[in-house]
Amino acid sequence: DAGVIQSPRHEVTEMGQEVTLRCKPISGHDYLFWYRQTMMRGLELLIYFNNNVPIDDSGMPEDRFSAKMPNASFSTLKIQPSEPRDSAVYFCASSLGGGVRNQPQHFGDGTRLSIL
Amino acid sequence: DAKTTQPPSMDCAEGRAANLPCNHSTISGNEYVYWYRQIHSQGPQYIIHGLKNNETNEMASLIITEDRKSSTLILPHATLRDTAVYYCIVRVGGGAQKLVFGQGTRLTINP
Repeated sequence: DAGVIQSPRHEVTEMGQEVTLRCKPISGHDYLFWYRQTMMRGLELLIYFNNNVPIDDSGMPEDRFSAKMPNASFSTLKIQPSEPRDSAVYFCASSLGGGVRNQPQHFGDGTRLSIL
Repeated sequence: DAKTTQPPSMDCAEGRAANLPCNHSTISGNEYVYWYRQIHSQGPQYIIHGLKNNETNEMASLIITEDRKSSTLILPHATLRDTAVYYCIVRVGGGAQKLVFGQGTRLTINP
């Protein structure tokens, strides 16, 4: 069965350009997470959704970042305008939440973003 | 969520058991211990989790001390493909699903 699918796998763009990262969660999962990974800061949670509704966006670095989840099978993370310090690997994860058993998060393979 | 402490790096010989320790002395009664790993250039991969009983699955075993202040992840027969960064994470069960990743342990399996 398909896991979490992210696109593109790699993105190289110039400073100031708009960047859109895409994620398709595992079918049936009701939680979706966006993480960012850098050498300096490690893996950081940016935002997460439950049933398409943003629950916690306290990790979003600033107003240049925005995330949407228009339906249960698609989410976007947008950076506008992009800056070199946004260069990182961005991961999307999904999980089936709630209940006693605490289902794990399943991660995609990430988008490696380079802002020149 | 409680803070965890892991050694920054470990080595293990191929075919041997790899034992990765984690300290979580401030863990509270409703917090679970999760283990994830990240192989180079891939997304983190869930391994196992537990509350207070020892757990075993096809990937690993998780041993949690009786006072729950520390745990050990055991890879019984390590292979070269187990070389990765291993993260021990403690978080409250149910409801909010946030995972807070520390620096983890970089495990190198040597031939």
